[in-house]
Amino acid sequence: GAGVSQSPSNKVTEKGKDVELRCDPISGHTALYWYRQSLGQGLEFLIYFQGNSAPDKSGLPSDRFSAERTGGSVSTLTIQRTQQEDSAVYLCASNQRLAAHEQYFGPGTRLTVT
Amino acid sequence: AQTVTQSQPEMSVQEAETVTLSCTYDTSESDYYLFWYKQPPSRQMILVIRQEAYKQQNATENRFSVNFQKAAKSFSLKISDSQLGDAAMYFCAYRSGPSGTYKYIFGTGTRLKVLA
Repeated sequence: GAGVSQSPSNKVTEKGKDVELRCDPISGHTALYWYRQSLGQGLEFLIYFQGNSAPDKSGLPSDRFSAERTGGSVSTLTIQRTQQEDSAVYLCASNQRLAAHEQYFGPGTRLTVT
Repeated sequence: AQTVTQSQPEMSVQEAETVTLSCTYDTSESDYYLFWYKQPPSRQMILVIRQEAYKQQNATENRFSVNFQKAAKSFSLKISDSQLGDAAMYFCAYRSGPSGTYKYIFGTGTRLKVLA
């Protein structure tokens, strides 16, 4: 079946603009994660969703970052008033369920803030 | 808080040889999971191998195996008979067991180069 997809693949935006990044998880996967991968760094946890439960937002770096997941499927990560330090690859991953060990990752969105 | 450390930013191995990537972690939990992920230039992260902390036996997946030393909090990855397709970034990751958080903590990665 189809894997995790993300769009756009690349996004260049001007400082101060808002951006939306989209993630389509594997059909039927109830858990969805967002990560940020800065150059030369590992993956930084941002947020996860599990079904209809309240998301764990503890990794969001500032109130400029928000995410939602509609209908338990597609998720959108929004960054308001982008800053140059927001430049990174944003990865989405889904698990069959929260307790499942294996995460399936999308190809990521490379965000460049000029 | 848990931490994951990969002290080798880059490693090289000759094709068909064996290489070991290091990972150490810090936790006060007794039940947890450890993972190695591969990230090729395509950026798509792929699970290579996982280990449950309660299992003493080291996990093995074909040419990939781990050396899990729970007391030392060490979790190294051994790649045997290295192939050109093994060239990638490798990330070690930690996740708490069922009674903990579902967040994954990743190391900073090791770039593996495979020389023909």
